Order: sequence, then C-alpha cells, then structure tokens
Amino acid sequence: QKEVEQDPGPLSVPEGAIVSLNCTYSNSAFQYFMWYRQYSRKGPELLMYTYSSGNKEDGRFTAQVDKSSKYISLFIRDSQPSDSATYLCAMSAYSGAGSYQLTFGKGTKLSVIP
Amino acid sequence: DSGVTQTPKHLITATGQRVTLRCSPRSGDLSVYWYQQSLDQGLQFLIQYYNGEERAKGNILERFSAQQFPDLHSELNLSSLELGDSALYFCASGDGRYNSPLHFGNGTRLTVT
Repeated sequence: QKEVEQDPGPLSVPEGAIVSLNCTYSNSAFQYFMWYRQYSRKGPELLMYTYSSGNKEDGRFTAQVDKSSKYISLFIRDSQPSDSATYLCAMSAYSGAGSYQLTFGKGTKLSVIP
Repeated sequence: DSGVTQTPKHLITATGQRVTLRCSPRSGDLSVYWYQQSLDQGLQFLIQYYNGEERAKGNILERFSAQQFPDLHSELNLSSLELGDSALYFCASGDGRYNSPLHFGNGTRLTVT
C-alpha cells in the first residue's frame, strides 16, 4: 500500500460545477497537509496548507482534513476553465534532525469544460 | 511567480553524458529540495540541503549528486545518463522549518536520447 493514494482521473466537469478531489494516506505521522496545483509544463504551485482536522477556506477553495479517517479533500466551488490543471495532494511528517519528508500523491488531472 | 529560479528550462543530451541543473531559491529561504517527476512515478524526492549541508536523502541514484553553495544556490549533477533519466527535475525551497510548505520552480525538462 502506497503512503499516499490519489485517483489520477482524468476528471472532467462543466464550468460552474463543484469539484471534489481526494487523497487517502496510511502514515499516522503525517501532520501537515497541502494541495498544489500544477499547470502543464509548470512547477507545482501551493494552493492550500492545513494542519488540523477540519475545514479551511480560501476563496473558492476549501481544504478538508479528517485525521481519524486519514482522508483529505479539496473542494473547488464555481469551477472555471482556468482551474484546469493537475492537483497534487502532499503531506509531511517530521523525520528528525531538523528534516521532514514531504510525500506527494500522483495528482488528479482536472478539466473544466466551458 | 514562486521566486524559485531553475536553469536551463530544457536539456537534450545523449546516454552516458553528464549534465548540471541549477536552482536559485526564494530570497530568504535556506533550504533547497530536488524532486524528479515522471509520468508513472509522480513527484519523487531526491535530496534536501539546508544552509549548505545535506539534510535528507530520498530516492537519489548514486549517479546523481547535488550541492548547495554559500550563496544558497544549488546544483544537481546527473552523470552516466540513461534513457530512464528523462524526466522533469524540480527544485523547491523553504525556510527550513519542518512545518513550512515548499515553493517550486518551473523545472528543467531533461530528455536523454
């Protein structure tokens, strides 16, 4: 079982739809959870960063963490064609000596159709 | 713009050759991370440096090496290149605190022919 599982998609939705992206993980040591957006031929761009279980909202984006179920989600409201990208979940665990491991999901490719 | 600069954007080279990828971190960041991204493997952590010292190693091959210089820029050296080394190589930087997110450059696309 991989440490972080993410459905690669592709996921295609009409403009204006609510998008739900999810990741599950197996390592209880993960403490910090992030979502990155990656456009084609670009580097991953940090979208959301959370620590505790619960919801965090930023504009049209909501990140949800359920540590008891080892499950995180990203919701995108009123999706736009410009949201078409690959979304990567990432999570970190402290590995000692001032270092931490950031583990990524493989990414979900999202297309928002006008 | 993340503030992380990577050069070159593209590299095409032959098997057996050696290349050097360069990264300048965001202003104020002391830590540099290198990642490899391929279609089937996703983002794989290679190595981390903090203020000039190696801090963590991931799935980095022995043919690969890296260093971070006093001005905090970093170089990733890839030698005896194989076809399977073709991938996107990303550099990310952070302030070095374990709970800080990383900021990525736009990568170097390496093609080995």
